[in-house]
Amino acid sequence: EAGVTQFPSHSVIEKGQTVTLRCDPISGHDNLYWYRRVMGKEIKFLLHFVKESKQDESGMPNNRFLAERTGGTYSTLKVQPAELEDSGVYFCASSQDVPYEQFFGPGTRLTVL
Amino acid sequence: KNEVEQSPQNLTAQEGEFITINCSYSVGISALHWLQQHPGGGIVSLFMLSSGKKKHGRLIATINIQEKHSSLHITASHPRDSAVYICAVENTGNQFYFGTGTSLTVIP
Repeated sequence: EAGVTQFPSHSVIEKGQTVTLRCDPISGHDNLYWYRRVMGKEIKFLLHFVKESKQDESGMPNNRFLAERTGGTYSTLKVQPAELEDSGVYFCASSQDVPYEQFFGPGTRLTVL
Repeated sequence: KNEVEQSPQNLTAQEGEFITINCSYSVGISALHWLQQHPGGGIVSLFMLSSGKKKHGRLIATINIQEKHSSLHITASHPRDSAVYICAVENTGNQFYFGTGTSLTVIP
């Protein structure tokens, strides 16, 4: 069974540009989570989807971040425009209805220059 | 073989007990993270460690870099501590490896 996948694995962009990160959860997993670890800081929750609905988006830092999960399958996280402080590792995780076990993707390393 | 191993997988304790969750890893790391997940919710970072020991309230985390081992301790456990605790390690290339978690239930 394929695990959680994320694309791209690395992204280097300039300040002001737009980047879209993609997460493909494990097939059948209704719950999808985004997290990030910005440089020098701890891992932080961004948001939680149940199917295509945003269950909790309390961790989204500002309106430059937009997450979508059309059709309840894969999810995208768009940063527009990117700022220097957005550099870090962005994780996606998914879980089934019993949300106790989250399966993490490998992360996308974002560098904003 | 997993790069990060946690033990135990499941743990039930009586309220007030001292709890220890262990994490061993096999890769070189720049930091180790202890995370907490409550049912249905996202994950919250408890600690980020690169050496020594940290304490927040009743929670204590230690790391031994030479032995590639970390422990999370909970003193005077309470039912609200019931959650899944996850150990994650980060290498110098910002690659992360996650443990499978320890499910803790504290009984009143």
